[in-house]
Amino acid sequence: DADVTQTPRNRITKTGKRIMLECSQTKGHDRMYWYRQDPGLGLRLIYYSFDVKDINKGEISDGYSVSRQAQAKFSLSLESAIPNQTALYFCATSDRWKSSYNEQFFGPGTRLTVL
Amino acid sequence: AQTVTQSQPEMSVQEAETVTLSCTYDTSESDYYLFWYKQPPSRQMILVIRQEAYKQQNATENRFSVNFQKAAKSFSLKISDSQLGDAAMYFCAYRSANTGNQFYFGTGTSLTVIP
Repeated sequence: DADVTQTPRNRITKTGKRIMLECSQTKGHDRMYWYRQDPGLGLRLIYYSFDVKDINKGEISDGYSVSRQAQAKFSLSLESAIPNQTALYFCATSDRWKSSYNEQFFGPGTRLTVL
Repeated sequence: AQTVTQSQPEMSVQEAETVTLSCTYDTSESDYYLFWYKQPPSRQMILVIRQEAYKQQNATENRFSVNFQKAAKSFSLKISDSQLGDAAMYFCAYRSANTGNQFYFGTGTSLTVIP
């Protein structure tokens, strides 16, 4: 089935470690996004990509980097993790051609804990 | 950046009753899209309903409907005949039709369904 997958689903790491979260999609969508969710703050956009060569910073990009390896793959890296990056991370996709609403479809999320 | 406000952090409803979740947004644009997403304990983000600002008719999806008041910049979600499976966090989201594809999310409303 067409889907958005994220790996890992849960991760515990230590301060200062480099960590990568991966997202893959089989929906054939052109646009991909990374969000973080914190209690009481909703979802905030970290980075988004409209195609492989088009990557843009979102609201809270400091401390993060991304790579769009292919249309179907979008990874998020924390170069040196810190405790306040502990959060639930979501990948999402959308496609400008399939729906005027361009609604976003979300992966299952990655729970990241930085000790 | 657009602001989306959900003023009710928590709501509860008796099973089979009706509940309305509030959402307001701040924008100077005339063309945009609005969405309600549901996040059950599984943490998966699920699209519930969507509305285009140019459509005057309120969207309906089975037991879910919206009250879209464009002049008041209000987009409330009504859940009729509430079921235990409706218990979740609900997020309101805004997307401009003109300035890219960023979604702006509210902080969420946690809905409890009482048996």
